[in-house]
Amino acid sequence: DQQVKQNSPSLSVQEGRISILNCDYTNSMFDYFLWYKKYPAEGPTFLISISSIKDKNEDGRFTVFLNKSAKHLSLHIVPSQPGDSAVYFCAATISGNTPLVFGKGTRLSVIA
Amino acid sequence: GAVVSQHPSRVICKSGTSVKIECRSLDFQATTMFWYRQFPKKSLMLMATSNEGSKATYEQGVEKDKFLINHASLTLSTLTVTSAHPEDSSFYICSAATQLRTGPQPQHFGDGTRLSIL
Repeated sequence: DQQVKQNSPSLSVQEGRISILNCDYTNSMFDYFLWYKKYPAEGPTFLISISSIKDKNEDGRFTVFLNKSAKHLSLHIVPSQPGDSAVYFCAATISGNTPLVFGKGTRLSVIA
Repeated sequence: GAVVSQHPSRVICKSGTSVKIECRSLDFQATTMFWYRQFPKKSLMLMATSNEGSKATYEQGVEKDKFLINHASLTLSTLTVTSAHPEDSSFYICSAATQLRTGPQPQHFGDGTRLSIL
């Protein structure tokens, strides 16, 4: 049973537009959520996180929204840049120090 | 920002060889380190969780005698793949985490080790 789901395996967006990556989870015990960016043959790079006590966290071009009632979070990237092209993983954990549960990732392609 | 160093980045060796992978947190003390494995076109799968000074906790289906984990200090954890076989070929990634009184902190990942067993 997949506790963290990213239902879109890929997404293409034009440069300058908004990219919206979605993630759903099933375990109501999760209270800390993270987004990572990954290039091939490299480890994931942390992008942004959000605690369950918040519904929005913003860092530069990246904003994460959390809807606890829907068990849904999303990552917004605006404006999108070609360098943003990568695989984005959504992850969730309980109290931050337990193992991360990852989604399967969404491959974002930003077209110039 | 926080940096986790993983070494080596790539290993190619013969079947039956044991391979050691190191994971170091360079600028923070990691209370917990995690080891993941990634198969092609799949997400990261947790193999084990290690806390400094205690035995690692392995996920179901991961052989603890085959994947030896040592977490001797707050900045170093090692994964040894013993008597590696071609089916052990994979991309292994470590992450390090710490917990502050201010709340949870993101895990930071090493760059991974591509292990190829011939």
